[in-house]
Amino acid sequence: DAGVIQSPRHEVTEMGQEVTLRCKPISGHDYLFWYRQTMMRGLELLIYFNNNVPIDDSGMPEDRFSAKMPNASFSTLKIQPSEPRDSAVYFCASSPKGTGGLNTEAFFGQGTRLTVV
Amino acid sequence: DAKTTQPNSMESNEEEPVHLPCNHSTISGTDYIHWYRQLPSQGPEYVIHGLTSNVNNRMASLAIAEDRKSSTLILHRATLRDAAVYYCIPLGGSQGNLIFGKGTKLSVKP
Repeated sequence: DAGVIQSPRHEVTEMGQEVTLRCKPISGHDYLFWYRQTMMRGLELLIYFNNNVPIDDSGMPEDRFSAKMPNASFSTLKIQPSEPRDSAVYFCASSPKGTGGLNTEAFFGQGTRLTVV
Repeated sequence: DAKTTQPNSMESNEEEPVHLPCNHSTISGTDYIHWYRQLPSQGPEYVIHGLTSNVNNRMASLAIAEDRKSSTLILHRATLRDAAVYYCIPLGGSQGNLIFGKGTKLSVKP
């Protein structure tokens, strides 16, 4: 398996534009996570899905952010409209059965570096 | 969620053992202790996890205190490639999510 695949790797956009980040999880994994990383705040969990259903979106910073998982092999994180403070590296991760207890490791993608100017 | 305390940074010499400590005094009885690391410009990667007994794998060993209020990640022979930020994360069996703290930045000197 190629691992978790994120696209694009880098994105530069102007303030106010819509940005869509994409993630393909590892086949067969039931859980998918979106994280954001900045120097100031470190790694923050934004939202996670179980079997394509959003379970916890309490980390989504505001209504400008939305995430979908239309099927088991694809997820998007959308920011509309984007702002300079959204500049960060966004990571997607997947896990076979959740990350608690016995099971579990989470596999992370290479990330998308977003710059909003 | 259990709080963790890790040193902000540590240094090691190449090919020497490294002991990375983590305090998690509020850990619950069913929380596993997970360790992840993040190499520069990469996403985090799983290192090891355990519950009560010490654990070994090809990457590292995990020593868990008898009272489970602390644990130590042991890299037996540090290499330059082990320079990374190491995160200790207590995680309950019923939880689905990984919450990262600030971690320990490990530098390895040749």
